Amino acid sequence: DAGVTQSPTHLIKTRGQQVTLRCSPKSGHDTVSWYQQALGQGPQFIFQYYEEEERQRGNFPDRFSGHQFPNYSSELNVNALLLGDSALYLCASSVQGRNQPQHFGDGTRLSIL
Amino acid sequence: GDSVTQMEGPVTLSEEAFLTINCTYTATGYPSLFWYVQYPGEGLQLLLKATKADDKGSNKGFEATYRKETTSFHLEKGSVQVSDSAVYFCALLNAGGTSYGKLTFGQGTILTVHP
Repeated sequence: DAGVTQSPTHLIKTRGQQVTLRCSPKSGHDTVSWYQQALGQGPQFIFQYYEEEERQRGNFPDRFSGHQFPNYSSELNVNALLLGDSALYLCASSVQGRNQPQHFGDGTRLSIL
Repeated sequence: GDSVTQMEGPVTLSEEAFLTINCTYTATGYPSLFWYVQYPGEGLQLLLKATKADDKGSNKGFEATYRKETTSFHLEKGSVQVSDSAVYFCALLNAGGTSYGKLTFGQGTILTVHP
């Protein structure tokens, strides 16, 4: 039973570019959440998708956008990259419902030069 | 809003020592509480959870009890191993209001266990 998978593992971009990160949820899960983890910090919530809609959003600018597909997989897009966007981006999946635990992938390490 | 505060680290212990990592939270309503562990170069793994007051979560020798009166969820293990060296995160999930589905994390505690 595959867990949450993310691609790519690592990515290097330059300022001003755009990036797309991908996530496949754990089998049986229908909800995908994205988090940004800066070095030495706890993860910060970006947004959550369920039924192909953004259900909740954290304190991130509109440069961060996402999408969920009918097979529940998801993409995170970041436009006009800034140096401060360098971080580990984590995808978590869960079953929609009260207090369901979220299961994380290994993340995508994004470096901005 | 919701917040989680973990004890400042890093924590360095000898093998077989007793471990406590303190975690306190601020939240409205009745959140669920979690401990996640992150090994170097990896994502977060769910270690244990508790969904209501006085629940005790346990896994792999780790335990934590949901204390509503003290708004705490301290992580304990009676005898740590070198393989427990990792970063530990306390987190809450609030089922009510605008926080539904959003995990709020503490800053993490680095644990290093020496042989």
